[in-house]
Amino acid sequence: NAGVTQTPKFQVLKTGQSMTLQCAQDMNHNSMYWYRQDPGMGLRLIYYSASEGTTDKGEVPNGYNVSRLNKREFSLRLESAAPSQTSVYFCASSEALGNQPQHFGDGTRLSIL
Amino acid sequence: GENVEQHPSTLSVQEGDSAVIKCTYSDSASNYFPWYKQELGKRPQLIIDIRSNVGEKKDQRIAVTLNKTAKHFSLHITETQPEDSAVYFCAASPWAGKSTFGDGTTLTVKP
Repeated sequence: NAGVTQTPKFQVLKTGQSMTLQCAQDMNHNSMYWYRQDPGMGLRLIYYSASEGTTDKGEVPNGYNVSRLNKREFSLRLESAAPSQTSVYFCASSEALGNQPQHFGDGTRLSIL
Repeated sequence: GENVEQHPSTLSVQEGDSAVIKCTYSDSASNYFPWYKQELGKRPQLIIDIRSNVGEKKDQRIAVTLNKTAKHFSLHITETQPEDSAVYFCAASPWAGKSTFGDGTTLTVKP
C-alpha cells in the first residue's frame, strides 16, 4: 500500500507558466484534499472533493483549479503561476468528509521564479 | 464556520518533562478532534484522535482530553524525548463536514 502518492516531488516554474500537480490514493477513500503550507505556517485548504464527482472551494482557492478524475485521483492545476504560489503542496485523503483522519502525501515543493 | 485556535505557538521543554498543547473550537457541531505530528520536511501524520462521546484517550506517552462544554481539547505528552520535537496540529470537524486545522505548535525537546 503506497497510501497517498504525489508527483512531482519538486518543481521550479517561471512566472506565468502552468502546471498540474498529481495526487493518487490507493485506500479507496471517498474524500480528497489539497493544502498549501508556507514556511513556518499551518495548513491552508485550497480545494477539496467530498466524493467522486464533487469539488468545493476551501480557504484559498484563487489561482487554482482542481479535477477529481476518478475515485483515486485528484489533481491541482496552476493556470498562470505567480511567485506568491511558491509553497509546499500536500494532498490528503480520508474515508469520508469529516469525522475521519486524513492521510497525507509527501508533498510537492514548488518554487515560482 | 468553524474556528480553531491553538496555543502555544512554540513550546520548549527539557527531555523527560511533560508538554501540553491546547486547542479551542467554536462550532458545537464538531465531534471529531485529531492531532497530527509533522517532523521537519515531512508530511503530517495522525498521532491520536478523540470523538465527542469520549472525554479522554491515551496511547502510551500521549493522551488527548476533551471538554465539550468549554469547547477545548488538549494534547498531553509525558516523558518527552528529543524525537518528539516536531510541529503539532490540532483539528476539529463536524459529522460530514470538512476539518479545520489549528495553526500549529512547534515543540522543541532539549536533551
